[in-house]
Amino acid sequence: EIVMTQSPATLSVSPGERATLSCRASQTVSSNLAWYQQKPGQAPRLLIYAASTRATGIPARFSGSGSETEFTLTISNLQSADFAVYYCQQYYNWPRTFGQGTKLEIK
Amino acid sequence: EVQLVESGGGLAQPGGSLRLSCAASGFSFSTYEMNWVRQAPGKGLEWVSYIASDGITVYYRDSVRGRFTISRDNAKNSLYLQMNSLRAEDTAVYYCARSWQKYDYWGQGTLVTVSS
Repeated sequence: EIVMTQSPATLSVSPGERATLSCRASQTVSSNLAWYQQKPGQAPRLLIYAASTRATGIPARFSGSGSETEFTLTISNLQSADFAVYYCQQYYNWPRTFGQGTKLEIK
Repeated sequence: EVQLVESGGGLAQPGGSLRLSCAASGFSFSTYEMNWVRQAPGKGLEWVSYIASDGITVYYRDSVRGRFTISRDNAKNSLYLQMNSLRAEDTAVYYCARSWQKYDYWGQGTLVTVSS
């Protein structure tokens, strides 16, 4: 099983600034990596897939990068709606696995 | 508009059974792979099971294999999860999610609580 490790567990950033979230895979997942946003009481929402492709309707403030084992989600010009929990997920092999999440909170 | 609506959750005793359903609309259900993903209270996301568009290929995580059965009825645009021999650790919100590798649409989830 591929273990996905996200860091940090909690990130405190001020509105208008940039947040950088990291995700590491225990073995290569090539570019088969997605990022999701989840707000309290809501289902997850797909943000990024194929490591760097924004999903439909996702603003350009969200960008993904990386390949193989190291990935980054960058959120620029943070808005109040962006404070949530973010998960990475690999779909390179089975079982599909998620990171434990990074909580992005207002500083 | 793509919609996924789960139902069937509730309280079950350890060792008991529940059957979850997911009603799909707004897209060609029979052409998409589908999944169940769960989230224990206050915890992260955990993939549970996958079914191919034709219903032939299925996968399960180790902890549910032999206890859970995923199925679909493409004529009814519906996905199912039969859960038997339930354990306390199965307590979670269960989401159905459409996939083409990544999970692009999710339902709102249905809560399953396993407790005596």
